[in-house]
Amino acid sequence: DTGVSQDPRHKITKRGQNVTFRCDPISEHNRLYWYRQTLGQGPEFLTYFQNEAQLEKSRLLSDRFSAERPKGSFSTLEIQRTEQGDSAMYLCASSSPRGQGHEQFFGPGTRLTVL
Amino acid sequence: GENVEQHPSTLSVQEGDSAVIKCTYSDSASNYFPWYKQELGKGPQLIIDIRSNVGEKKDQRIAVTLNKTAKHFSLHITETQPEDSAVYFCAASMGGGFKTIFGAGTRLFVKA
Repeated sequence: DTGVSQDPRHKITKRGQNVTFRCDPISEHNRLYWYRQTLGQGPEFLTYFQNEAQLEKSRLLSDRFSAERPKGSFSTLEIQRTEQGDSAMYLCASSSPRGQGHEQFFGPGTRLTVL
Repeated sequence: GENVEQHPSTLSVQEGDSAVIKCTYSDSASNYFPWYKQELGKGPQLIIDIRSNVGEKKDQRIAVTLNKTAKHFSLHITETQPEDSAVYFCAASMGGGFKTIFGAGTRLFVKA
């Protein structure tokens, strides 16, 4: 399978704990995006990387959230001191530099439940 | 910032009928409008997209129309089938499509 992969698929944690999610984009895709999706809503943009550079961050991304893409390949999203309001599906997407580079391919997501 | 509104939130049709989902956007600089289908437990999957230099695009049973003046775009699915049942999202972005804003989604039920 050469699509976008995310790990873990599900994560249950207690309030106050730190969690880290991983995203592996489609190889050769230089752009990588993180979104958050809550029940009954569309994905909300969190942040975007072009290669290893983080070029844009949403106001939704509080100080407790940090994303990295150290070698321009896989990316991690860490949430520190989790709160119940962080419970959501975290989606990763990637896109190719070819053409106009618009089409984003999504992974299956990581569902986070904060107790 | 950009805002995308999507209607209806739920749509139920009989198999074989057509389904239409409508979206409006606020930022006139938006120039790329993708539509995604999301099935339970999966990430969104692109089904069709349209760029601002095109008014209509069709791919088999799916078509999308764009009215830039009115800032409206719509998804049309003809000859619906039960496997079309899913949540559909419209979205808008500008420039290189870096920051994509999604609508709230339409849950489509196709009754056999």
